[in-house]
Amino acid sequence: DIVMTQSPDSLAESLGERATINCKSSQSVLYSFNNKNYLAWYQQKPGQPPKLLIYWASTRESGVPDRFSGSGSGTDFTLTISSLQAEDVAVYYCQQYYGTPFTFGPGTKVDIK
Amino acid sequence: EVQLVESGGGLVQPGRSLRLSCTASGFTFGDYAMSWVRQAPGKGLEWVGFIRSKAYGGTTQYAASVEGRFTISRDDSKSIAYLQVNSLKTEDTAVYYCTKEGYGSGSYSSDWGQGTLVTVSS
Repeated sequence: DIVMTQSPDSLAESLGERATINCKSSQSVLYSFNNKNYLAWYQQKPGQPPKLLIYWASTRESGVPDRFSGSGSGTDFTLTISSLQAEDVAVYYCQQYYGTPFTFGPGTKVDIK
Repeated sequence: EVQLVESGGGLVQPGRSLRLSCTASGFTFGDYAMSWVRQAPGKGLEWVGFIRSKAYGGTTQYAASVEGRFTISRDDSKSIAYLQVNSLKTEDTAVYYCTKEGYGSGSYSSDWGQGTLVTVSS
């Protein structure tokens, strides 16, 4: 199984500041056939289901604010919130869909300082 | 607008069975894989499995923790996905989310239902 790790476990930044979440996979999730990274990011606010933010490691889902961006390749990935807003308070998960079982990271809790 | 509505959860004794349903609307159901993800109380997300669209063979994949006990199926004529859960254990207690995948095979979960709570307890 591909193990996903995230860092930090939690973070708190001031409104308008940049927040960065890291995700690492135990093996590459880059499929050489199509040069795509099989990595997604989700946001889960309290009491709500998760919401897709980013897929293929860097493609923003329709309707997601452009302050959210994904980067990285192979085994190391980053979700960046360029200017943290109050409504961004949530837990963020990465997930690999390169191979089954599709595994999630443990989550990173984002709060406002 | 994509809508996914789960039903069928509840309180069940260990060893018993349940069938969860996911009624979909707002998209061509038969074109997409459907998956189930669960979340134990206060915990993270755990992938349960998915079923491919008929165009991709309609086959299923499962997490090792549920293989042999859980079965995912679909009725494209009704736009419903099912999760049959047998031989339930206390550790199966979770909110079960139905998700629509990005295309006909397993991939990222583009849309999520609100979830249905399954509580396994004697």
